[in-house]
Amino acid sequence: GAGVSQTPSNKVTEKGKYVELRCDPISGHTALYWYRQSLGQGPEFLIYFQGTGAADDSGLPNDRFFAVRPEGSVSTLKIQRTERGDSAVYLCASSFDRAGSGTEAFFGQGTRLTVV
Amino acid sequence: AQSVAQPEDQVNVAEGNPLTVKCTYSVSGNPYLFWYVQYPNRGLQFLLKYITGDNLVKGSYGFEAEFNKSQTSFHLKKPSALVSDSALYFCAVRDKNQGGKLIFGQGTELSVKP
Repeated sequence: GAGVSQTPSNKVTEKGKYVELRCDPISGHTALYWYRQSLGQGPEFLIYFQGTGAADDSGLPNDRFFAVRPEGSVSTLKIQRTERGDSAVYLCASSFDRAGSGTEAFFGQGTRLTVV
Repeated sequence: AQSVAQPEDQVNVAEGNPLTVKCTYSVSGNPYLFWYVQYPNRGLQFLLKYITGDNLVKGSYGFEAEFNKSQTSFHLKKPSALVSDSALYFCAVRDKNQGGKLIFGQGTELSVKP
């Protein structure tokens, strides 16, 4: 497809379990972003990749959260030892971007994570 | 630190009337400014952006926004609202000198009644 694809669209997991969320960016987009959106809130920045490297991971809340983008395309957000407070919609976005440019980001539909 | 404020949680307008959704921002350097719209159960969609140049920018679906540097504002406007404009609107800012991170406001729910 032409847009940013996120899988799964919904994920229910038990407290303490490990989850992986996948993002397929728009082909050719060099920048990839992960955000988290809680109910009634704006998207909260987690991490930004430029190519394969994490250019800014200052938004990751703690060391249970980790993200990779090994080939500069698909990215996986990994959450260890999930907690109920991790429940949110996780959004991925991509852009044809170099750091500091004004290119807009295109968002996927999100993965709704529910930790029970 | 970068921040965005959307002072109104909800804006109600009648169809055909003009609408304004307010946004103010704070960055240490020069800003890039964006508006996104979110319909129920759908992802964020880009509406418009200010990069440089003319302070009045025009975007999708008849929306426009005015960059005001002295007031650090970037209010979203439309001359004549449609019921189909009802959605959640987010303002976002990126500091030109601090990479690609976008900082979003809390969002404003726009409700347009017939």
